[in-house]
Amino acid sequence: GENVEQHPSTLSVQEGDSAVIKCTYSDSASNYFPWYKQELGKGPQLIIDIRSNVGEKKDQRIAVTLNKTAKHFSLHITETQPEDSAVYFCAVFLSGGYNKLIFGAGTRLAVHP
Amino acid sequence: DSGVTQTPKHLITATGQRVTLRCSPRSGDLSVYWYQQSLDQGLQFLIQYYNGEERAKGNILERFSAQQFPDLHSELNLSSLELGDSALYFCASSAGTGRSEQYFGPGTRLTVT
Repeated sequence: GENVEQHPSTLSVQEGDSAVIKCTYSDSASNYFPWYKQELGKGPQLIIDIRSNVGEKKDQRIAVTLNKTAKHFSLHITETQPEDSAVYFCAVFLSGGYNKLIFGAGTRLAVHP
Repeated sequence: DSGVTQTPKHLITATGQRVTLRCSPRSGDLSVYWYQQSLDQGLQFLIQYYNGEERAKGNILERFSAQQFPDLHSELNLSSLELGDSALYFCASSAGTGRSEQYFGPGTRLTVT
């Protein structure tokens, strides 16, 4: 089945620095790649997503890049702020009759003032 | 606020008991998904309903069942509860099925003692 690996598991940065989280997947038929942010005590919040016909997508300080050949995608957060501290999850949509999101194990991001 | 509501927020029950978790999707969304989040297993997809019909199944135990009602709210029933069922249970909704953005509710924290 589909396997999604996410790295690093923890990431600590200084306020204003950039943060990059990477995910790799195994099923080449996967075609939808969302990223979620989960704050303590809350449900995952969709922050950005990318589809397989696009290589990069930006939304203010966050961006996602996709390399379908290498089967990996990354989340980039620039000018980090303390409120960016949370757990971030990548996910891969598995189609072909399965119709489900497979999540990575998560990255705990800490942004220090 | 994603627009997805879940009740109750917390649930404490004993082994062997049965509980029902409730979810109301965002206005206009036809799909409801259930996920389990535990420390050792991460976010695991359980089941999806689309407009009242089961559409996809994940790692859902036979002791668990779900349904979606004509008003599109959904219930997840967990029976013969075991200590290992203690987890956060999230509901998500989307407009369609397939590669649609999924929006998560705040979750129900289940503790089995």
